[in-house]
Amino acid sequence: RKEVEQDPGPFNVPEGATVAFNCTYSNSASQSFFWYRQDCRKEPKLLMSVYSSGNEDGRFTAQLNRASQYISLLIRDSKLSDSATYLCVVMGNYQLIWGAGTKLIIKP
Amino acid sequence: DARVTQTPRHKVTEMGQEVTMRCQPILGHNTVFWYRQTMMQGLELLAYFRNRAPLDDSGMPKDRFSAEMPDATLATLKIQPSEPRDSAVYFCASGPGQSSTDTQYFGPGTRLTVL
Repeated sequence: RKEVEQDPGPFNVPEGATVAFNCTYSNSASQSFFWYRQDCRKEPKLLMSVYSSGNEDGRFTAQLNRASQYISLLIRDSKLSDSATYLCVVMGNYQLIWGAGTKLIIKP
Repeated sequence: DARVTQTPRHKVTEMGQEVTMRCQPILGHNTVFWYRQTMMQGLELLAYFRNRAPLDDSGMPKDRFSAEMPDATLATLKIQPSEPRDSAVYFCASGPGQSSTDTQYFGPGTRLTVL
């Protein structure tokens, strides 16, 4: 089992819809969690950190479920510009472990 | 707008040749990371420096890869000899703090093709 797993997708979603995807991790001692966004043929960029209490940034909401060992990302009122690959990152054993990413395609 | 810069942006070379990739981290950043990204493996950490000292290079094939920071403004990743399986996008990232969990700012990457 990989340390950090994501559904590769692609998720094909109509513009304006709400979409959510998860990222599971295997190390129960993991302390820090992040979502990065990567556009096609570009570098990853930090989208948001994930806090224990959950956090929201505009249309984006990140949640952490320690009991089930996953983090989630919810995107409301999706825009065409949200099309990208979303990478989750987990800090485990003093090392950042990256998921392979979930590809999201927003369709008009 | 401070950015991480990487050169070259694209490199095509033949198997057995030496490849050197360069990265200029954002001025004042203390941590530097080298990653490799392929379609099959996703993003893999190759090396991690803090204050120019290598802290973790466990993800790097030691027989052919080497990473250095000759000064605070330059990080290098060398492959010698290169092999077709090294074809990937190599990203450098830097961070402002002392921890690997701080926000990482990525450069545009070097797209390497080894024939």
